[in-house]
Amino acid sequence: DTGVSQDPRHKITKRGQNVTFRCDPISEHNRLYWYRQTLGQGPEFLTYFQNEAQLEKSRLLSDRFSAERPKGSFSTLEIQRTEQGDSAMYLCASSLGVGAATEAFFGQGTRLTVV
Amino acid sequence: GIQVEQSPPDLILQEGANSTLRCNFSDSVNNLQWFHQNPWGQLINLFYIPSGTKQNGRLSATTVATERYSLLYISSSQTTDSGVYFCAVVRWGGKLIFGQGTELSVKP
Repeated sequence: DTGVSQDPRHKITKRGQNVTFRCDPISEHNRLYWYRQTLGQGPEFLTYFQNEAQLEKSRLLSDRFSAERPKGSFSTLEIQRTEQGDSAMYLCASSLGVGAATEAFFGQGTRLTVV
Repeated sequence: GIQVEQSPPDLILQEGANSTLRCNFSDSVNNLQWFHQNPWGQLINLFYIPSGTKQNGRLSATTVATERYSLLYISSSQTTDSGVYFCAVVRWGGKLIFGQGTELSVKP
């Protein structure tokens, strides 16, 4: 098992363009999470999936953001009409469990710069 | 929502020194994780600790859930310990609420 994998590692885009990030969780992990981290801050929760169902979305996830996990395996996070304020590290995590507490493991992140 | 506060925000140590990082949280939690964020941004798991004490080499952690705090101890610090340490409380569904982090710098 190679852990959680994210692609790309870095992305520079012009304002107004669309971008898509991919996350491959640890195999057999049924839960997948997206977080965003800006400079000097702790990561903030965006959304999570249990299998293919998106169970919770943060208020941070504006209508320009959409996430999918079509077959309950990998996930994509798309940002439409990017803005400079979207510049951040986007982190993906996965865990195995049902119910409350399960240990999460993170990928290396995708660093987005909007110019 | 739940508040997670870490202290101190910054810490500078001489190599070989010991340190204690603190994490306070404002409500009951299902579990708690400690992470070390490396210079490339990846979060490395240190401890998954709902209560009690765990040890892993020079690091140990103690969570007192009834008093809503957790402590991370680093003994005989090394320069490779430098970086940002985060605690995160685990909510229903496994969602993590992070503190603001403690930035540790260990000088040779």
